[in-house]
Amino acid sequence: DAGVIQSPRHEVTEMGQEVTLRCKPISGHDYLFWYRQTMMRGLELLIYFNNNVPIDDSGMPEDRFSAKMPNASFSTLKIQPSEPRDSAVYFCASSAMLGTGKNQPQHFGDGTRLSIL
Amino acid sequence: DAKTTQPNSMESNEEEPVHLPCNHSTISGTDYIHWYRQLPSQGPEYVIHGLTSNVNNRMASLAIAEDRKSSTLILHRATLRDAAVYYCIKGFGNEKLTFGTGTRLTIIP
Repeated sequence: DAGVIQSPRHEVTEMGQEVTLRCKPISGHDYLFWYRQTMMRGLELLIYFNNNVPIDDSGMPEDRFSAKMPNASFSTLKIQPSEPRDSAVYFCASSAMLGTGKNQPQHFGDGTRLSIL
Repeated sequence: DAKTTQPNSMESNEEEPVHLPCNHSTISGTDYIHWYRQLPSQGPEYVIHGLTSNVNNRMASLAIAEDRKSSTLILHRATLRDAAVYYCIKGFGNEKLTFGTGTRLTIIP
């Protein structure tokens, strides 16, 4: 069974450019999470979706960041315009809600290492 | 909402048991205790979670104090592949999980 797939694995771009990170969650999972990890701030939740609807975007740093989930198998995180301080590893994770409502583990992708020059 | 408290780092010898402690004194009645680990250059990986009773799976055991204010992750026989940062998190897995700084576990051959 394929895990969470993120692309690209590495991205290097110049400041001011638009960056698009992509995520394919595990099939059948109805929660999707975007995290950012830096040495200074650790692992931070940016936004999460349930059934393709954004539930909590309070972690999104500013208006330059936007996330979409057009369908159950695809999500994007965009940064426009990008700045050097956006350099980080960005992780996508997904999880399933069983019929009983018991919480299930989050499954993480391998991340996208983003460098803004 | 206070996060959990873990030691910054621990060392253990290979093939010996490891006990990783976590304090979560502000845990609410509905909060689960989750443990994730992050190996170098990888995304976090689920280890185990529990609510009140001790839990076992193929990776580890989770011992939860009776008052639920602390817990211990037990790796029964550490291998070099267990070297990672271990995160103890309180919350509900399908929703917001707040990762702290975790415990960096070093395994000594």
